Amino acid sequence: SQQGEEDPQALSIQEGENATMNCSYKTSINNLQWYRQNSGRGLVHLILIRSNEREKHSGRLRVTLDTSKKSSSLLITASRAADTASYFCVTSGSRLTFGEGTQLTVNP
Amino acid sequence: EAGVTQFPSHSVIEKGQTVTLRCDPISGHDNLYWYRRVMGKEIKFLLHFVKESKQDESGMPNNRFLAERTGGTYSTLKVQPAELEDSGVYFCASSQTMGLTGKLFFGSGTQLSVL
Repeated sequence: SQQGEEDPQALSIQEGENATMNCSYKTSINNLQWYRQNSGRGLVHLILIRSNEREKHSGRLRVTLDTSKKSSSLLITASRAADTASYFCVTSGSRLTFGEGTQLTVNP
Repeated sequence: EAGVTQFPSHSVIEKGQTVTLRCDPISGHDNLYWYRRVMGKEIKFLLHFVKESKQDESGMPNNRFLAERTGGTYSTLKVQPAELEDSGVYFCASSQTMGLTGKLFFGSGTQLSVL
């Protein structure tokens, strides 16, 4: 099946709560990236984690990578309504491969 | 610095017509990619240019799709004749780093509706 499969497919939380999204992939990777797409807009790069890294932080974002389990997680802390978007993990091997994304809704 | 720009932002055409999408990458970016998202599903790779050469076009769905990047600057993606299943959002992205170790900068996409 598709590489870069996100879980859950949809997540609805209240503003201020944390949101955790997971991603699984199947083959070896050079790095893994997370992107966000707001409705009607393009994709925005959030964070890149290399295959030899285990954890990375950027502002309210925390990404982990477990290459033994071929999985990654994206944690958004203290969520805001503006975080409402689709989130995609992207694996890079021979080319970038997207999953279907997680639709995050943050309710004010 | 200007980002990746795509034109038009929306296009509504009838089945059988021709549509041409344009993408202007960030200046100096040799790598240019086309992706599309159909029916809110996964974002699928279409093709990858390195300068004016097609590096990988394995994602092009059929011969109704033609992509060009003359001179290695902007790129066009033409669909002729368009079919209903071609409806979706077409994204263009560019990157400076050779290969796929770097991040991509995406345009806002072209929403294509084929009626």
